[in-house]
Amino acid sequence: DAGITQSPRHKVTETGTPVTLRCHQTENHRYMYWYRQDPGHGLRLIHYSYGVKDTDKGEVSDGYSVSRSKTEDFLLTLESATSSQTSVYFCAISERGTGANTGELFFGEGSRLTVL
Amino acid sequence: SQQGEEDPQALSIQEGENATMNCSYKTSINNLQWYRQNSGRGLVHLILIRSNEREKHSGRLRVTLDTSKKSSSLLITASRAADTASYFCAKVTGGGADGLTFGKGTHLIIQP
Repeated sequence: DAGITQSPRHKVTETGTPVTLRCHQTENHRYMYWYRQDPGHGLRLIHYSYGVKDTDKGEVSDGYSVSRSKTEDFLLTLESATSSQTSVYFCAISERGTGANTGELFFGEGSRLTVL
Repeated sequence: SQQGEEDPQALSIQEGENATMNCSYKTSINNLQWYRQNSGRGLVHLILIRSNEREKHSGRLRVTLDTSKKSSSLLITASRAADTASYFCAKVTGGGADGLTFGKGTHLIIQP
């Protein structure tokens, strides 16, 4: 299994509080991604990173920010959590990026966030 | 918008039978990938098929791609209880790093 650790795995918080989810990898892969998974929507890309300090927005980036100060860590921050951000969040990594024809993703186990 | 829509949404079969799931998409692709997700777990990559390929095999898995119909199918032969999971197709359209676009998945239940 790819070395991807997400923390925390479960979190309950209140509307308006800041939340940071962490993704840590031991594979030294260049590309890292944050997805959210919701019933009826499948997985949707929030933000991704193509290198240290290089990040870009995905399909559903509003209300989220990310940072990547080291190759191994990719942080997802909800500055002021809302109930619509209740979801399961998945981190994924890729060695060559999904544009390459060998660009499979390796996923973490997910972080379940509940915003009350 | 969702690209890569799976059909059916749910499928229940008896152990030993074959399971077929379909995926349709709207725009041209570089490659299409299939993933499995067991309940409460992360997604696991199963197979990747490139746009210039028509069929690929991996163990009991067979994936086909018809670019003229913008569709792909995943066949699991001789199903086992352990195959119970959700299966997602995901497509890559560009040459960049901006992730995969996933469908909503097919939930497969294998009855013992």
